[in-house]
Amino acid sequence: GEDVEQSLFLSVREGDSSVINCTYTDSSSTYLYWYKQEPGAGLQLLTYIFSNMDMKQDQRLTVLLNKKDKHLSLRIADTQTGDSAIYFCAERFPGGYQKVTFGTGTKLQVIP
Amino acid sequence: KAGVTQTPRYLIKTRGQQVTLSCSPISGHRSVSWYQQTPGQGLQFLFEYFSETQRNKGNFPGRFSGRQFSNSRSEMNVSTLELGDSALYLCASSTGQASVLSSGNTIYFGEGSWLTVV
Repeated sequence: GEDVEQSLFLSVREGDSSVINCTYTDSSSTYLYWYKQEPGAGLQLLTYIFSNMDMKQDQRLTVLLNKKDKHLSLRIADTQTGDSAIYFCAERFPGGYQKVTFGTGTKLQVIP
Repeated sequence: KAGVTQTPRYLIKTRGQQVTLSCSPISGHRSVSWYQQTPGQGLQFLFEYFSETQRNKGNFPGRFSGRQFSNSRSEMNVSTLELGDSALYLCASSTGQASVLSSGNTIYFGEGSWLTVV
């Protein structure tokens, strides 16, 4: 089935690392994405990982994928106040289609 | 390179009316998909179009429809609007051909159209 879960809220201090977690249930997913949504805005693609990888690093962002446990995480190093937003993980299914299933979103609050 | 463009950004309609939202994908992208975002239901997939053909559809009533034109621009239509249709409608685009080697892996979203039904 298609079910992606995230914790609803995370609060960190500026300069600390943030880790946002996501679990998914469909092992056939091919790509897993992280999107950021600021108030009143659309979704900004942050990064994605192919399902046969276990880690991807992109500047301050590190994505870890544990396919056995169907667990995905996004680590933001040196978190800044501008990182305050809602973060969505999403999984995409085989077939080349563009349909993705989104998680519930994690609201990240960065305390100055 | 321009991003995904959605119009209008904000609109207010009354119950029973119909609405048409427009989406222009990134140049060169042939796949367009639509999502509805509400506080209660989160982000839900509506449908996807590729080369003018609907190739995937979510779990929405027939009042929700869409189409894609030969230039890849897409429109979605909601007829007989209900209060529960108030939402942010997001459009996304990609090249539409995802694989390990292709750039179709990336899916980009527009800023959305905020629809309020009163």
